[in-house]
Amino acid sequence: AQTVTQSQPEMSVQEAETVTLSCTYDTSESDYYLFWYKQPPSRQMILVIRQEAYKQQNATENRFSVNFQKAAKSFSLKISDSQLGDAAMYFCAYNRDDKIIFGKGTRLHILP
Amino acid sequence: ETGVTQSPTHLIKTRGQQVTLRCSSQSGHNTVSWYQQALGQGPQFIFQYYREEENGRGNFPPRFSGLQFPNYSSELNVNALELDDSALYLCASSKKLATDTYNEQFFGPGTRLTVL
Repeated sequence: AQTVTQSQPEMSVQEAETVTLSCTYDTSESDYYLFWYKQPPSRQMILVIRQEAYKQQNATENRFSVNFQKAAKSFSLKISDSQLGDAAMYFCAYNRDDKIIFGKGTRLHILP
Repeated sequence: ETGVTQSPTHLIKTRGQQVTLRCSSQSGHNTVSWYQQALGQGPQFIFQYYREEENGRGNFPPRFSGLQFPNYSSELNVNALELDDSALYLCASSKKLATDTYNEQFFGPGTRLTVL
């Protein structure tokens, strides 16, 4: 069975600084997708970034980038120049056959 | 373009009752997935509906059932409610082609269910 593990229940970062959220996953598949979702207090789940497992290049979306280590089954999210609006729960997730499996989340606090 | 909507926003039920939650998919989408998010946890996949048929199910008992209508909106029904059913229920819609293994899912704001 596929599992997703986020070992950091909470993290804090100073505004404008950089923070990295960790995620490991377990799967026997070779073709899959990995995601980071953001869930602010409004509860709406928002896709932050997506990585296709067969692509070696790490995905980047503006201030958000990932470090994808397929052999180690590691998928961390780096947020650069942190902003107050980045405060939220962040979920690492795995997708195969259109079913998403989420980790337990990391609550990110941004300190002004 | 209208996003995914869910109703009601909040709901309070008592143990043993039945509940129906509703989800309207984004325009042009044909697939709806339902997730249960307990407090402090990540969402868990309940099931997915594609073209009005169930297309995969997570580890949930049969008292969790669903429907998808010709307009691709969907309902989640839960019978014989238990205290542990208290959670945020999220639906997500996507546009799926038969050969796809991945389609971006767009989430609604959720329905908060409290079972007393």
